[in-house]
Amino acid sequence: DADVTQTPRNRITKTGKRIMLECSQTKGHDRMYWYRQDPGLGLRLIYYSFDVKDINKGEISDGYSVSRQAQAKFSLSLESAIPNQTALYFCATSGPGQGPGELFFGEGSRLTVL
Amino acid sequence: QKEVEQNSGPLSVPEGAIASLNCTYSDRGSQSFFWYRQYSGKSPELIMSIYSNGDKEDGRFTAQLNKASQYVSLLIRDSQPSDSATYLCAGVARTTDSWGKLQFGAGTQVVVTP
Repeated sequence: DADVTQTPRNRITKTGKRIMLECSQTKGHDRMYWYRQDPGLGLRLIYYSFDVKDINKGEISDGYSVSRQAQAKFSLSLESAIPNQTALYFCATSGPGQGPGELFFGEGSRLTVL
Repeated sequence: QKEVEQNSGPLSVPEGAIASLNCTYSDRGSQSFFWYRQYSGKSPELIMSIYSNGDKEDGRFTAQLNKASQYVSLLIRDSQPSDSATYLCAGVARTTDSWGKLQFGAGTQVVVTP
């Protein structure tokens, strides 16, 4: 099993629907991140969290919300999905002793908004 | 303009040759740099990190950093078909508030031809 697990791996939805992407990790890391990847734009940070009570906005947080339900679980929600949120979403983690550039990524969740 | 720029490629490299990937950055505060490898349909994987000017070698990979020229490169010696992937460059400042500020380039696609 992967150390960082994302569900669902693929999702097709319609404009206006609420979507939740979930991430769980068994690495024991305290820091968790949500990124989106778009062709030609690379990876952009949506939200990150240092622990259950510490959640921070990233570069592109508008239209997204997150919840850190437990040290090992970090979910991303799109309250009302729109087509330009079609992208590949990655959850990532980092742990003690690792710097801000040393990330372990989940397998990714491909979201298509019609 | 992105803070971290890469040529998107594809960079076509004969098997056994050296692949040379380049990355430039605009933020002079960036001090730590990372190379991630991403196979098609897979998640990024950290392969190299470099924090000081000069070269850092790890197996067939060499990372080079020139802070004066704001330039980072990755050399892949004896390229193999298994090296065919997209390589992401990322940079961040080494300060206490650097978390969540890692900047990724859009990636360079490398194709190693037998």
